[in-house]
Amino acid sequence: KNQVEQSPQSLIILEGKNCTLQCNYTVSPFSNLRWYKQDTGRGPVSLTIMTFSENTKSNGRYTATLDADTKQSSLHITASQLSDSASYICVVRDYGQNFVFGPGTRLSVLP
Amino acid sequence: DSGVTQTPKHLITATGQRVTLRCSPRSGDLSVYWYQQSLDQGLQFLIQYYNGEERAKGNILERFSAQQFPDLHSELNLSSLELGDSALYFCASSMGPGLAGRAPAEQYFGPGTRLTVT
Repeated sequence: KNQVEQSPQSLIILEGKNCTLQCNYTVSPFSNLRWYKQDTGRGPVSLTIMTFSENTKSNGRYTATLDADTKQSSLHITASQLSDSASYICVVRDYGQNFVFGPGTRLSVLP
Repeated sequence: DSGVTQTPKHLITATGQRVTLRCSPRSGDLSVYWYQQSLDQGLQFLIQYYNGEERAKGNILERFSAQQFPDLHSELNLSSLELGDSALYFCASSMGPGLAGRAPAEQYFGPGTRLTVT
């Protein structure tokens, strides 16, 4: 069964610190992997999209990595800000065009 | 503001009823995607349309249907509503079809429609 798992479920860090969120998937055949940021009650906002051949992609303070062999991805947030408090969702699209969503990691950045 | 608009913002209805959710994509975008987000199941992909034609189908129930019109706006029809259909329904749009094996299409999400079934 195609699944996407994320860890940790929730994370609390202090402003200015770095953190890394994990995503493991079993989706096959793989087409692409996306990371989204979602504030409570609002639509997700795209952070990065990676295909099979891409290992790293950055978007400002957000850097995503992809290891297609081990089917793992990570999202690293540098110098966190209060506005980074949100849910971060990993999504994998398969060749059948379906999107499989992870449950998300809830990040809280404290002053 | 993503440029994607959804109406209505909130909808309260009773079990067994039928509702229609509307989505207008960003100017120039040809693809529209529908998603459901509930507390117990998270985000789920329902269906995608590209330039008026169905492109991909996810976990969409038979009670649900969608279409994309010539002006590219889309509607999601939910019928025989059940309590479990209460959720946030998001629409997203992209320029391209996002075909597998091609460059993936960036998606822009709307603000969502919150549906409450009582």
